[in-house]
Amino acid sequence: QSVLTQPPSASGTPGQRVTISCSGSSSNIGSNFVYWYQQLPGTAPKLLIYRNNQRPSGVPDRFSGSKSGTSASLAISGLRSEDEAHYYCAAWDDSLSGWVFGGGTKLTVL
Amino acid sequence: QVQLVESGGGVVQPGRSLRLSCAASGFTFSRYAMHWVRQAPGKGLEWVATLSYDGTNKYYVDSMKGRFTISRDNSKNTVSLQMNSLTPEDTAVYYCAKDWDIFGTGGIDYWGQGTLVTVSS
Repeated sequence: QSVLTQPPSASGTPGQRVTISCSGSSSNIGSNFVYWYQQLPGTAPKLLIYRNNQRPSGVPDRFSGSKSGTSASLAISGLRSEDEAHYYCAAWDDSLSGWVFGGGTKLTVL
Repeated sequence: QVQLVESGGGVVQPGRSLRLSCAASGFTFSRYAMHWVRQAPGKGLEWVATLSYDGTNKYYVDSMKGRFTISRDNSKNTVSLQMNSLTPEDTAVYYCAKDWDIFGTGGIDYWGQGTLVTVSS
């Protein structure tokens, strides 16, 4: 059971916009930044969004992040087949003094 | 460019120990905290441990406290994970990762390719 809660799966057709949610608590998302990682099949995770809504250089602006209270969301617009991957949210947890991850969401592009 | 290369994985019997290493390059290693994160086969990411830039602040997930030890050698640009009393539940790909800042609470910005640890008799 992960500390951060994500839906196990999401799907969309090419060109659509999809969102993936991440729910936490006051000790993690509620008081710290949220990070999103993309893991393509058979590869290491890659940073997608940092500090709630910032994109590293090289990440397309189709990807965006937001946070409100103890929840966060990752939005992907203009869905493409290469976006098919697992997506994970993460945050520092003040109560645990450690990092917590969501269980991951498998995105399927239909 | 940032490179993190893990080594030391393999097959180990239950109850035995294993030491993983990660060689870092492409950035000033001594200025950043480092992490170990693992992923069991077919499962999600699980944070294991974090070590501050100078090695003074260490954080572990509760389930691994006392069994795993993270350390670093800033003169050799390496971070290590000593794992003792291994069980089959420790079977996973172990990733070395770099933090944004010096203490380890800034977030992971780069990941290594991972090294597979299999605990089996």
